[in-house]
Amino acid sequence: DVVMTQFPLYLPVTLGQPASISCRASQSLLHTDGRTFLSWFHQRPGQSPRRLIYQVSNRDSGVPDRFSGSGSGTDFTLIISRVEADDVGVYYCMQGTHWAPGIKFGPGTKVDI
Amino acid sequence: EVELLQSGGDLVQPGGSLRLSCAASGFSFSTCDMSWVRQAPGKGLEWISSIDYSGARTAYADSVRGRFTISRDNSKNMLSLHMNSLRGEDTAVYYCARDPNWHPDWGQGTQVTVSS
Repeated sequence: DVVMTQFPLYLPVTLGQPASISCRASQSLLHTDGRTFLSWFHQRPGQSPRRLIYQVSNRDSGVPDRFSGSGSGTDFTLIISRVEADDVGVYYCMQGTHWAPGIKFGPGTKVDI
Repeated sequence: EVELLQSGGDLVQPGGSLRLSCAASGFSFSTCDMSWVRQAPGKGLEWISSIDYSGARTAYADSVRGRFTISRDNSKNMLSLHMNSLRGEDTAVYYCARDPNWHPDWGQGTQVTVSS
């Protein structure tokens, strides 16, 4: 099974400054169809997770352009170019390339000001 | 507008059973894979099961395999999760999600509490 790890698990941030979260998969997330199914989610307390990024680097509708995703194979990064107060919460990476063993989430990175 | 409306969460005793439902609207349900994800109190997201668009293919996390069954009724746009032999560690908020690889849509979550 694919194991997802994230670093750091806790990230203190400063308003207006950049922030970066790393995600690593135990095996390549490159699908046989050529796509890489790595997504990023943001969750605030008491709310459903919200997907921010899909297939490594594509922003979902309504997601501010200060969020960007990059990476390939097993190593991925979520970058917030300028942190805003609304960005606090927990961020999860998720692999969906390997369907049969199952979708896997990273342990989550708590972002706090 | 896409909507995933969940129901069925409850307080249940250890060893008991429960069925969760997720009513889909606003999209072509019969063409989408669906998944269930849960979140125990204070913990992260845990995928527990997926079903393909036709219902022919399913997958389960080790933690629930043999106890939980995912199913769908494409004629009613309904996704279900039948949970048997419930344990304390199954206590969580359960979310249904429309193929997270391709779509951003999640249900509102429903609370399942397993306790005597």
